Amino acid sequence: QSVLTQPPSVSGAPGQRVTISCTGSSSNIGAGYDVHWYQQLPGTAPRLLIYGNSNRPSGVPDRFSGSKSGTSGSLAITGLQAEDEADYYCQSYDSSLSGVVFGGGTKLTVL
Amino acid sequence: QVQLVQSGAEVKKPGASVKVSCKASGYTFTSYDISWVRQAPGQGLEWMGWISVYNDNTNYAQKLQGRVTMTTDTSTSTAYMELRSLRSDDTAVYYCVRGAGSSPLGLDVWGQGTTVTVSS
Repeated sequence: QSVLTQPPSVSGAPGQRVTISCTGSSSNIGAGYDVHWYQQLPGTAPRLLIYGNSNRPSGVPDRFSGSKSGTSGSLAITGLQAEDEADYYCQSYDSSLSGVVFGGGTKLTVL
Repeated sequence: QVQLVQSGAEVKKPGASVKVSCKASGYTFTSYDISWVRQAPGQGLEWMGWISVYNDNTNYAQKLQGRVTMTTDTSTSTAYMELRSLRSDDTAVYYCVRGAGSSPLGLDVWGQGTTVTVSS
């Protein structure tokens, strides 16, 4: 059971918009710690997609955006493309555990 | 370019130890922490801990305390992760990653992963 809760799966048709939620608690996201998002394509290492709640590293398309509110973070993907089919993970820091916590991951299927 | 290159796959017997290396290039090694994350087959990401390359301070996940040791060699820009008393549920891909979990910059550069298989 992960400290951060994500939906196991989401899906959408090409061109559509999907969102992935990441729900934490008062000891992690709610305590003010940043939410980061990672994309893991099949058979590859994860890559940083969003850092500091809403910032994109260079090279990440602006179709990807992140936000944070209260004890939750959210990743939005607009203009879905087949190449977006991957697993997505949120990550934060937890003061009770004194360590990094990940969500359980969300599998995005492009229909 | 900035990259982390890890050592090759390992097969170990239960009770043995494994030491994975991670060589950094393209940036000042001592300016960033190194974290280790593992992923069991078909499972999600699990944080193992991090080490400050600057002063060798470490922070390990509670469940691995006593079995894991993270070190660095600044002369070769290489980080190491040793896991002892291996069990079958330690079978996973192990990643070294640039950054520490509490950083606002996230874990921004990942190694290619090292597969560790624990089997009798």
